[in-house]
Amino acid sequence: QQPVQSPQAVILREGEDAVINCSSSKALYSVHWYRQKHGEAPVFLMILLKGGEQKGHEKISASFNEKKQQSSLYLTASQLSYSGTYFCGTDQNSGAGSYQLTFGKGTKLSVIP
Amino acid sequence: DAMVIQNPRYQVTQFGKPVTLSCSQTLNHNVMYWYQQKSSQAPKLLFHYYDKDFNNEADTPDNFQSRRPNTSFCFLDIRSPGLGDAAMYLCATKAGQGATEAFFGQGTRLTVV
Repeated sequence: QQPVQSPQAVILREGEDAVINCSSSKALYSVHWYRQKHGEAPVFLMILLKGGEQKGHEKISASFNEKKQQSSLYLTASQLSYSGTYFCGTDQNSGAGSYQLTFGKGTKLSVIP
Repeated sequence: DAMVIQNPRYQVTQFGKPVTLSCSQTLNHNVMYWYQQKSSQAPKLLFHYYDKDFNNEADTPDNFQSRRPNTSFCFLDIRSPGLGDAAMYLCATKAGQGATEAFFGQGTRLTVV
């Protein structure tokens, strides 16, 4: 089942912050975040496992609320290079057999000077 | 060094003429995926393999088939391409155990004329 992302699009000025949300109606084992630039393949950002962990990657971090089946991606002090479409990917399988990976519709982020 | 390689990068085929897209990986990953991505949309999962175990998504048209002759290679066959099948086709791989990142190839842009 496809996760739901919000917002669909956001425009930021350089240096501003943004939050992208991802939710699922089913129990999640893990949440993946990817960024895709136009005409290119998705690039991995981070994975969060159930257990409510939070991760950071330079000025991009994320949290996973297992109880709410939600994850949020936080982009702080945005740079022009952050522009692209952000996808969350989820799998509902637990344990060693987690291999189905389904993506949300994406959030298009545009950072302007 | 490219770890997931898709060939060709661009493919033009005639309406109704069978076409095969290929994907190879050097990561020795158990899991391989095929996604279809249309303009400004999320990657849509078509199939995935866990080793030779094939998993077909319920809404994948019968016109699409796949083969995985060995760990390294995977093929997507479109038996009778229609205009609606024009899209970017992405191959991805993932290690089979637990929550690990998916590695994407650069994709094959399919045009149907």
